[in-house]
Amino acid sequence: GAGVSQSPSNKVTEKGKDVELRCDPISGHTALYWYRQSLGQGLEFLIYFQGNSAPDKSGLPSDRFSAERTGGSVSTLTIQRTQQEDSAVYLCASSSHANTGELFFGEGSRLTVL
Amino acid sequence: DQQVKQNSPSLSVQEGRISILNCDYTNSMFDYFLWYKKYPAEGPTFLISISSIKDKNEDGRFTVFLNKSAKHLSLHIVPSQPGDSAVYFCAASPRTGGGNKLTFGTGTQLKVEL
Repeated sequence: GAGVSQSPSNKVTEKGKDVELRCDPISGHTALYWYRQSLGQGLEFLIYFQGNSAPDKSGLPSDRFSAERTGGSVSTLTIQRTQQEDSAVYLCASSSHANTGELFFGEGSRLTVL
Repeated sequence: DQQVKQNSPSLSVQEGRISILNCDYTNSMFDYFLWYKKYPAEGPTFLISISSIKDKNEDGRFTVFLNKSAKHLSLHIVPSQPGDSAVYFCAASPRTGGGNKLTFGTGTQLKVEL
């Protein structure tokens, strides 16, 4: 596609439920990143993929959070047993090379946990 | 601990005047700095960057200045236009070229008034 595509754009869920957020990066981009932005906060790094492997997952807040990437393309961020503090906008970005600072972001998935 | 700080949550400037957005960082390992711009309901978009080997980088109306000794950078927009109204995020990386993990500030909401 022309840009980074994320789905769903909005998700409202009940506390304790699992959610899956999907990211489709720009075709050919080998690096993929997940960030989240909580209300009034900056963008918080979660995890980075180079191809299908995740050299840096240091930003994942807890073991309820996991992510995978298949075929060097689509990535899924899964949050199990959601909590209210998980409410945030989850942003995915891709880049053509891990050493470029220019990340191309999607529009984000807004997660609300009731 | 916030390693990248944008202490002004908002800034209002008249059209045609200069906008100056400031950013401070604490991690001396950061050597590559970027500014991103974000409109509502959109993902952040890359604006301009600077490597620590430089103290200034200019791109059209946008100039970024870096003061390494003060661990401070600023973004100048001149002349400011109404379309510049957006949230501006400062970001930093420990590796020249961006690396794989950008640390973002909390953003400054710029409003350019007619």
